[in-house]
Amino acid sequence: DAKTTQPNSMESNEEEPVHLPCNHSTISGTDYIHWYLQLPSQGPEYVIHGLTSNVNNRMASLAIAEDRKSSTLILHRATLRDAAVYYCILRWGDTDKLIFGTGTRLQVFP
Amino acid sequence: DTAVSQTPKYLVTQMGNDKSIKCEQNLGHDTMYWYKQDSKKFLKIMFSYNNKELIINETVPNRFSPKSPDKAHLNLHINSLELGDSAVYFCASSSVGSPLHFGNGTRLTVT
Repeated sequence: DAKTTQPNSMESNEEEPVHLPCNHSTISGTDYIHWYLQLPSQGPEYVIHGLTSNVNNRMASLAIAEDRKSSTLILHRATLRDAAVYYCILRWGDTDKLIFGTGTRLQVFP
Repeated sequence: DTAVSQTPKYLVTQMGNDKSIKCEQNLGHDTMYWYKQDSKKFLKIMFSYNNKELIINETVPNRFSPKSPDKAHLNLHINSLELGDSAVYFCASSSVGSPLHFGNGTRLTVT
């Protein structure tokens, strides 16, 4: 299973953009890049996913490098509610198996 | 309108006991999972079922036995509980290729 590498923690101030990086140098052509977040005492929650092209949804944007060896989750304006652990995960095609890494703990300051 | 619900939310028990955790989803998904999150917050898949059939079994001790009476339910029975079983157990569900929806977890403490 291809692995991902993320910084352990990041900090941001409220209303500033946040760029959460993820390296996945061993990604294969059929791996989708998924992002989930986990709030304290809750289960993980889907954020966004993509294959090759950049993706936008109401929660965030996903920027995927041209060689697909890295990606960045972008929160356009951080809020206190965005403080969570963010997981970058590679999911092969339609496989049901999500392999979680250690994630990035995002702190947001008022 | 909870999509994936687990019971109980907290479970405190002694070593050697047998306990069960229940999970139900009302999303019409075909696949359900059990994940374990240990004290270091590492999330690891344990099992997945698709339409009541076991698909993934990730070298979990056979003291853990999942049971899926129908595709909306996936229960986890644990025999002879050990201290190392203390963790948060998450149930999840999905359809093919769709994101996983997780429950809010069952915190199991074995004393």
